[in-house]
Amino acid sequence: GDSVTQMEGPVTLSEEAFLTINCTYTATGYPSLFWYVQYPGEGLQLLLKATKADDKGSNKGFEATYRKETTSFHLEKGSVQVSDSAVYFCALSARDDKIIFGKGTRLHILP
Amino acid sequence: ETGVTQSPTHLIKTRGQQVTLRCSSQSGHNTVSWYQQALGQGPQFIFQYYREEENGRGNFPPRFSGLQFPNYSSELNVNALELDDSALYLCASSLDGVGTSYNSPLHFGNGTRLTVT
Repeated sequence: GDSVTQMEGPVTLSEEAFLTINCTYTATGYPSLFWYVQYPGEGLQLLLKATKADDKGSNKGFEATYRKETTSFHLEKGSVQVSDSAVYFCALSARDDKIIFGKGTRLHILP
Repeated sequence: ETGVTQSPTHLIKTRGQQVTLRCSSQSGHNTVSWYQQALGQGPQFIFQYYREEENGRGNFPPRFSGLQFPNYSSELNVNALELDDSALYLCASSLDGVGTSYNSPLHFGNGTRLTVT
């Protein structure tokens, strides 16, 4: 069945470091891909999305490119801030009835 | 606009009991989805309701059931609770479907933490 695999955390970086969180997926057809973020004490929020191959989603300095050939949707940010500390979930939607999430990656940014 | 609110925030139940969790959708949203998030895992889709009808279901047994009311608020009911039902239960609302567009993404509540002993 459809699934999402993302790198295990926690990931700890210093402020202004470059961030990559890897995500790969398995799906039939052509899913939409998402990154959700969960800040401490808050609910899940959509961070960015891409709906077809080679699309790049971007928001708040984060980017991810839909790579069909490698079935990947890696999250990147050039210079992280302490306020980026959160749990990040990669997800896909292959049909209109549900979104499938990865296990989440906890990110700690040190000042 | 008011966001998605869930009640209660925490709940402790005994194995074999029944539980009802409640969710108020974001204003204007007609679709509600429920997810189960076990510790250290991502959210798992339970089911979705659109205009009071079930509109998709994940791999959960029939003892997980739901309702959506005319005001689009929703309940999740779990019968015959098992220890493995201990998890954070998330409600998410959206407009007209699963919520995959930027114009109408899923809006999540903060969840209900259920502990089964």
